[in-house]
Amino acid sequence: EDQVTQSPEALRLQEGESSSLNCSYTVSGLRGLFWYRQDPGKGPEFLFTLYSAGEEKEKERLKATLTKKESFLHITAPKPEDSATYLCAVQANAGNNRKLIWGLGTSLAVNP
Amino acid sequence: DAGITQSPRHKVTETGTPVTLRCHQTENHRYMYWYRQDPGHGLRLIHYSYGVKDTDKGEVSDGYSVSRSKTEDFLLTLESATSSQTSVYFCAISEDPAGPQHFGDGTRLSIL
Repeated sequence: EDQVTQSPEALRLQEGESSSLNCSYTVSGLRGLFWYRQDPGKGPEFLFTLYSAGEEKEKERLKATLTKKESFLHITAPKPEDSATYLCAVQANAGNNRKLIWGLGTSLAVNP
Repeated sequence: DAGITQSPRHKVTETGTPVTLRCHQTENHRYMYWYRQDPGHGLRLIHYSYGVKDTDKGEVSDGYSVSRSKTEDFLLTLESATSSQTSVYFCAISEDPAGPQHFGDGTRLSIL
């Protein structure tokens, strides 16, 4: 069964304390892996798409990496405004290629 | 930000009443999606559309119907609302089924 698991469920960091969020997946052929950020009361905001193992994408303090089994979202020197829930979703090659399989997210709090 | 407007943003209604949620986009994207988001379940696909008058079911479609008579509008209808349909509903759009989806800010629906 296709599945996405995110860890940890919640993470609290001090401002400037770098860390990583994990997204583990099992899917019958990966078409793409997506990272989103969601703020309270808002819809998910697209961050990155990764398509193949070894690929990396960066945006400001965020860097996403991909292996054949998992993806990491590295947060370097986070600021309080990085506090949000980070969601991971994967799309499989097989079957209905419009369906995204979503993780439950990691809730990140960055204290000043 | 992608031009996606969901209406209403909040609604409280009673069990058994019909409810229609609207998603309006200004991006001229072909693909549109309706999701619900519930604690412990993450984002779940209700229905999606791949063109005007072309729609298909997602993983939690029972009790919901959709219509798309224009590229820019995608309607979600609960014919007879039940308390289990209390949720936050998100609309998303994409240019390509393999590309990222972009989300509206959601409708918080409470069914008493």
